Amino acid sequence: QVQLQESGPGLVKPSQTLSLTCTVSGGSISNGSYYWSWIRQPAGKGLEWIGRIYKSGNTNYNPSLKSRLTISVDTSKNQFSLTLSSVTAADTAVYYCALGWGWFDPWGQGTLVTVSS
Amino acid sequence: DIQMTQSPSSLSASVGDRVTITCRASQSISNSLNWYQQKPGKAPKLLIYATSSLESGVPSRFSGSGSGTDFILTISSLQPEDFATYYCQQSYSTPYTFGQGTKLQI
Repeated sequence: QVQLQESGPGLVKPSQTLSLTCTVSGGSISNGSYYWSWIRQPAGKGLEWIGRIYKSGNTNYNPSLKSRLTISVDTSKNQFSLTLSSVTAADTAVYYCALGWGWFDPWGQGTLVTVSS
Repeated sequence: DIQMTQSPSSLSASVGDRVTITCRASQSISNSLNWYQQKPGKAPKLLIYATSSLESGVPSRFSGSGSGTDFILTISSLQPEDFATYYCQQSYSTPYTFGQGTKLQI
């Protein structure tokens, strides 16, 4: 059974870069035909799909974040990562990683990232 | 982007009630509609995918229907553990988008 776990700093200063990693266990990113996604949720608000990556490195990004966003994959470590540059308070949210090419299942437990000086 | 609109935004109900939540897409999305349940402090959990397919392990009191632009999540007989926030999500085209959520409360 595939499990996902997000990791990274919980506090990032404004204008700096947010970096998170999702570690996959119970299955290999290299196997199967799946996309690996990032999704975020500001406190008390709804869900926003950030983007996704395929094992080949092919990506799709949300246009609202595309200019600041990079999603990468490291199949040797069974991880995929998110970097978001020039962050502001509006980027404060719980960030989730998830498996799926259309619907998302399973999800990681989520990690709170706060943008504040 | 495809906009997803859920109604109602909140709903009060009782154990044993039959409940329906509606999700409308701003354009046709065929049957590419998924439903999630989220409880406080937890990640969303997939309930239904492709409009009406029940995810493994999800109780049969949950069902989904619809096509095109209008979709419905039905809970046939509410149980105490069903009080949560429900989200719809379209997987017809990227960027994938979610509804704003429906909070189901007692």
